Amino acid sequence: SQQGEEDPQALSIQEGENATMNCSYKTSINNLQWYRQNSGRGLVHLILIRSNEREKHSGRLRVTLDTSKKSSSLLITASRAADTASYFCATGGLNTGGFKTIFGAGTRLFVKA
Amino acid sequence: DTAVSQTPKYLVTQMGNDKSIKCEQNLGHDTMYWYKQDSKKFLKIMFSYNNKELIINETVPNRFSPKSPDKAHLNLHINSLELGDSAVYFCASSQIPTANTEAFFGQGTRLTVV
Repeated sequence: SQQGEEDPQALSIQEGENATMNCSYKTSINNLQWYRQNSGRGLVHLILIRSNEREKHSGRLRVTLDTSKKSSSLLITASRAADTASYFCATGGLNTGGFKTIFGAGTRLFVKA
Repeated sequence: DTAVSQTPKYLVTQMGNDKSIKCEQNLGHDTMYWYKQDSKKFLKIMFSYNNKELIINETVPNRFSPKSPDKAHLNLHINSLELGDSAVYFCASSQIPTANTEAFFGQGTRLTVV
């Protein structure tokens, strides 16, 4: 399946440290997106990287994409307590029934103050 | 102003009942979605509508029926609710349906079937 799988499932770090989350998928994609979900809230889009891009930055976020390994990573630098949330990767591409964005189960990040 | 709003936020109901969840977006998007997030936090697409037309219909029981009266609204009606329907349901919208764009999510509706 195209579904992304995040690794690790949970991550606990100290404020100020960097947090790295990985995502692997199985089929061809058009793009890969990262979303954040705070507890009890909806998902918020963070960044989209297209299949022909290798790296993208947005503020303290850095996303890489390696299509040969079918993997992506999300790096949050200088983490803050407010970064505590679940982070989901979502792969977008042609799937059975049309173009879809398919989400993984997420990485739960806990940043200790 | 809330971009994608869904109501109710919480819904507790008995098995066998019929219930509806409403969703509205004020972003002017053509495409709207319903996702189900289970207890393990997997987010699975259920339906996608583009300009009131159904374009994605995943393997979802017939008891689930989406209705789009106009492109700004996508409601979800569930008949004969079962315990396994308990989950958080998210509505989302995007500008275009090709998955090459970000989606905007509502706050979710936590459905508990007892």
